[in-house]
Amino acid sequence: DTGVSQNPRHKITKRGQNVTFRCDPISEHNRLYWYRQTLGQGPEFLTYFQNEAQLEKSRLLSDRFSAERPKGSFSTLEIQRTEQGDSAMYLCASSPGGSDVEQFFGPGTRLTVL
Amino acid sequence: QKEVEQDPGPLSVPEGAIVSLNCTYSNSAFQYFMWYRQYSRKGPELLMYTYSSGNKEDGRFTAQVDKSSKYISLFIRDSQPSDSATYLCAIANQAGTALIFGKGTTLSVSS
Repeated sequence: DTGVSQNPRHKITKRGQNVTFRCDPISEHNRLYWYRQTLGQGPEFLTYFQNEAQLEKSRLLSDRFSAERPKGSFSTLEIQRTEQGDSAMYLCASSPGGSDVEQFFGPGTRLTVL
Repeated sequence: QKEVEQDPGPLSVPEGAIVSLNCTYSNSAFQYFMWYRQYSRKGPELLMYTYSSGNKEDGRFTAQVDKSSKYISLFIRDSQPSDSATYLCAIANQAGTALIFGKGTTLSVSS
């Protein structure tokens, strides 16, 4: 399977704990995106990488959120001091780069904060 | 006004029906229009991508963009129960930027 993969698929945590999610994009895709989706809503953009550089961050990405893509391949999204409002599906997408605009999504990580 | 508006439905149709799904958007700078299909508890799957105005057809699916009225549509011919899913429209103003999604329309096709 050469699609976008995300781990873990599900995460249950207690309020105040830190969590980290991983995304492996499609091989050779330069662009990597993180989105958050809550029930009944479309995905909302969080942040975007071109290779290892984080080029854009949404206002939704509070100080408790940090994302990295250290070698321009996989990416991690960490949420510190989780809150119940962080409960959502966290989606990763990748895109080839250049003039290609299509984004291909992974299966998501479903986070539940108790 | 939200940047992308999409009626969440739900929309229920019998098998074989023609389905019309629609979105409106507010900013004329948007140039790229996409439709994604999302099954329950799965990631969105890219169905169709259109640049600027016009129609694009792929099998039973046709995407249509009318930039003058800021209106985008997805038509599904001969709908099947396997088409039951949430359909999300997404737009972007230039290549490589974040997609802006509608809320999604939930479609149910009964056999």
